[in-house]
Amino acid sequence: GENVEQHPSTLSVQEGDSAVIKCTYSDSASNYFPWYKQELGKRPQLIIDIRSNVGEKKDQRIAVTLNKTAKHFSLHITETQPEDSAVYFCAASKSTGTASKLTFGTGTRLQVTL
Amino acid sequence: DSGVTQTPKHLITATGQRVTLRCSPRSGDLSVYWYQQSLDQGLQFLIQYYNGEERAKGNILERFSAQQFPDLHSELNLSSLELGDSALYFCASSNHGNTEAFFGQGTRLTVV
Repeated sequence: GENVEQHPSTLSVQEGDSAVIKCTYSDSASNYFPWYKQELGKRPQLIIDIRSNVGEKKDQRIAVTLNKTAKHFSLHITETQPEDSAVYFCAASKSTGTASKLTFGTGTRLQVTL
Repeated sequence: DSGVTQTPKHLITATGQRVTLRCSPRSGDLSVYWYQQSLDQGLQFLIQYYNGEERAKGNILERFSAQQFPDLHSELNLSSLELGDSALYFCASSNHGNTEAFFGQGTRLTVV
């Protein structure tokens, strides 16, 4: 089955700096790659996603890049703010008909310091 | 509010017992997913249902079972509970596969 590896497990940056989180996946058939943000004690929430027919996607301070050949994708957060502090999960999924199994990475705890 | 409702929010039970967790998906969503999140751990995929039928299975223990009813709500049954089953159990729903999955607030299960 699919295996998603995520690095780093913890990341500390100063406010205003950029943060980069990287993930690799094993199943070349995976075609959907969402990123979720989970604040302490709360539910995961989608922040951005990308499909395999796109190499890059941007939404304000957040961007995701996908390299299908290397089977890795990355989350980039620019101009970090204290409210960006949370755990970020990458995930990979392939859909076969109505079946869909979203496999998550192990998470990155991002700490934005003042 | 994601539109996904999970009950109960908290559950404390003893080892060996059986519990049922309930999930109501967002209106119109046909897919329901169950995930287990242990303390400081990632999200482990358990099972997916689509329009009442099981569609995908993860590392779900044999002591665990789930179903999705005609009104699309889903239940996760956990039996012969062990201390290690203590975790946050999330339900998520989506309209179809490979689209945004919306998570509920989770049920925190504590086995004592």
